[in-house]
Amino acid sequence: ETGVTQTPRHLVMGMTNKKSLKCEQHLGHNAMYWYKQSAKKPLELMFVYNFKEQTENNSVPSRFSPECPNSSHLFLHLHTLQPEDSALYLCASSQWMTSGTYEQYFGPGTRLTVT
Amino acid sequence: DQQVKQNSPSLSVQEGRISILNCDYTNSMFDYFLWYKKYPAEGPTFLISISSIKDKNEDGRFTVFLNKSAKHLSLHIVPSQPGDSAVYFCAAIQYGNKLVFGAGTILRVKS
Repeated sequence: ETGVTQTPRHLVMGMTNKKSLKCEQHLGHNAMYWYKQSAKKPLELMFVYNFKEQTENNSVPSRFSPECPNSSHLFLHLHTLQPEDSALYLCASSQWMTSGTYEQYFGPGTRLTVT
Repeated sequence: DQQVKQNSPSLSVQEGRISILNCDYTNSMFDYFLWYKKYPAEGPTFLISISSIKDKNEDGRFTVFLNKSAKHLSLHIVPSQPGDSAVYFCAAIQYGNKLVFGAGTILRVKS
């Protein structure tokens, strides 16, 4: 595997279900991110992990719970979601820099539908 | 309030001609700008970037121009190819590695 991988690619879940999204990066990066892309909206940053520590929580509801066990893996645990949470969830990674380049590399995303 | 704006939702260009995608921003603290390209069912792919200390960066067919006084940047693709048809996102960053994205512009290159 190369780059950033995400599983599953598609997920349909009911509002009472609990599910998890998984992201893995094979780039040797030390920062990982979760983004949400809703229809016709810009990508919205949800969470940032820098060296496995959460450094940003962009006012995300508690029904979304991130987990970063190591610098290569990132999870997003989902529970009691709402239909408006249906969106494309994208994972990204980068090399955390205090200056210089900031390119983030994205996975293919998980298309989530909440019924 | 959107800090990064792409005011053209779509752009259609003939193959071989120049594509110009525009982006405006409001936050003068942004110090690094990036363009991403996205195909359907794929994640965004990094294309080209520019630091705020420069006004131009070129990589093959892609050139990004930055006008800090106008808070405006643009991506030029010359010559445009049908495979360039995708959604293009402008993004900006200030200290902290937090990317702020525009809403995207759909580019269609007609052959």
